[in-house]
Amino acid sequence: NAGVTQTPKFRVLKTGQSMTLLCAQDMNHEYMYWYRQDPGMGLRLIHYSVGEGTTAKGEVPDGYNVSRLKKQNFLLGLESAAPSQTSVYFCASSYRLGQTNTGELFFGEGSRLTVL
Amino acid sequence: GQQLNQSPQSMFIQEGEDVSMNCTSSSIFNTWLWYKQDPGEGPVLLIALYKAGELTSNGRLTAQFGITRKDSFLNISASIPSDVGIYFCAGHWETSGSRLTFGEGTQLTVNP
Repeated sequence: NAGVTQTPKFRVLKTGQSMTLLCAQDMNHEYMYWYRQDPGMGLRLIHYSVGEGTTAKGEVPDGYNVSRLKKQNFLLGLESAAPSQTSVYFCASSYRLGQTNTGELFFGEGSRLTVL
Repeated sequence: GQQLNQSPQSMFIQEGEDVSMNCTSSSIFNTWLWYKQDPGEGPVLLIALYKAGELTSNGRLTAQFGITRKDSFLNISASIPSDVGIYFCAGHWETSGSRLTFGEGTQLTVNP
């Protein structure tokens, strides 16, 4: 059982380049999320999705786009990377919050992105 | 948006010592959660709290949902080296829909 899988694990970009991070979950979860983690700032929500074909902005959405064409996949795109987007990115998934297991997010192992 | 203040930011302790960390919020939460992140991994849920005043244990870990619904604490008893990592509190409130708010994290170092 793979859980939440993120690819790639590491990437180095030059300023202005674009890239896509892929998240895949095999737990049939409705909800999926993209967070970024920076030292001393905890986990900040970038975008999230409550179901296939729907996405919404989180706390820090600027400079990112997302798509959820299939229930099991959630893609995070950077159209024109900037050094401020150097971070560790985590994807997570969960059952619908408010039901059993409220709040249990299942996280991937993270993707470390460096923008030069 | 909602903000959580988590303290301390870091702790350096000796193996066998007890640890205490807490989170406070200016707003009321319906659910408090505590996650642990091992180095190089994603966070994993340790304890979830759903009622004000609730006290829940998971092995050597004990967490409480504050009576005012604006705070929570996590205690670790008799720490061991594998307790090393970052501990995050997180909160969920009625109008937040599907979103959790995370604290800044407490970095725990345990010296053998």
